[in-house]
Formats: sequence, C-alpha cells, structure tokens
Amino acid sequence: QITLKESGPTLVKPTQTLTLTCTFSGFSLSDPDVGVGWVRQPPGRALEWLAVIHWNEVKHHRPDLNGRLTITKDTSKNQVVLILTNVDPVDTATYFCARRLIWRGMDYWGQGTLVTVSS
Amino acid sequence: DIQMTQYPSTLSASVGDRVTITCRASQSLNSYLAWYQQKPGKAPDSLIYRTSNLESGVPSRFSGSASETEFTLTIDSLQPEDFATYYCQQYRSYPWTFGGGTKVEMK
Repeated sequence: QITLKESGPTLVKPTQTLTLTCTFSGFSLSDPDVGVGWVRQPPGRALEWLAVIHWNEVKHHRPDLNGRLTITKDTSKNQVVLILTNVDPVDTATYFCARRLIWRGMDYWGQGTLVTVSS
Repeated sequence: DIQMTQYPSTLSASVGDRVTITCRASQSLNSYLAWYQQKPGKAPDSLIYRTSNLESGVPSRFSGSASETEFTLTIDSLQPEDFATYYCQQYRSYPWTFGGGTKVEMK
C-alpha cells in the first residue's frame, strides 16, 4: 500500500523559512523511474506545481520562485523535504506531495497540509 | 513555459449526462498529459495519464483523448460521485503546469 503524508508548521511569519516533510511508504526513492513532487493550492484556487526530485537525484523546480525553493531527499528515511525561504502571505496554501513514475503523472498523493503565512 | 488553457471553468450537468472537458496546450505535449479529480477538502486523485490511459480502479466511464494540442476528458453517464473539480496537467517539460480547473456542478 502506497501512502504519503506531509508534515510541517501550520503557521509561518512573513520572511521566515518554511520546511515541509513528505514521509512515504510502499515505495522507495531508490527504485528506478520514481520521483516525489510537491504541488500547492492557494485557498479557492488551482493547483500549482512546485518541484520534483527523482531516484537518480535529478531535480526540478518552478523557476519563478526566484531561487527560494529547495528539494532534497533522504532515501533511508523515505522522506522528501521542501524548503521555501522568505515566505510571503501569497505562499499561503495547502501543500501536497505526490509520487510520480517516469512517463506518468502523479499517481499517489498525500492528504495535504495547510500552511498560513501571517504575522 | 507551456500554458494550459482549460475550459469551461464551470459546467452544470445532471446525472446520466455525457460531460466533456477540454485543455488546450500552447505547444506539443507528446501525449504527456494527465487528468485529476479533486473533491472539496481532499487531495487530487489521478484519473488518466499519457492522455488516454486510465489509472487502476478508475471507472471506464472516464476517457481521455487528444487532437494535436487539444486534450479532452469525457465522462460518459455522469454519476453522483463525479461532481468535483477536474484539472489537466502537462508533464512534457518543466515547469509542469496545470489547467485552471473545471468545476462540474449539479444542474
């Protein structure tokens, strides 16, 4: 059974750094063709892709966040970490992590975690 | 970046209707398009990958197709559990991009 779960703070102050952890089971990030990505959804708005990291360390992130995003993995812990620096109220959103297989979309998703950026 | 234009943004339908949702890509996707269903307060569920391949467990009333850069999700005989918001997503190139979503609501 494949599961993913996001964890991290629910409230962050502007200019602070947000660190979110995706802990998963049922697959490994050492398996070929596997990746874990992050997607966020501001309240009432559409999904927005953020970043992905693959079994072979190849990673990509959306460029319009001006270098604020970092994605890393800890294969031994079955975790992927997303770091977003210098947060702003516009970063308020539900953040999801999801598994992807090469040539496919994101097939398994976590339940999401709502992060509010406010002073 | 590849732009995904999804329409309609809202669709009113009744149980039993045939529903069609469209996404237009700003360039070729080589079939690398997925569809997701999202219900309020829940994570998206994957329905279709590579334009027309159903995920395991997805009912056969869902289907996907494409004509060049126009991609279509069709729901034959809409069921009560299908009222939700649907998103397309391209994964042909980074950054991956989603359509703006289509809310299927009860007429």
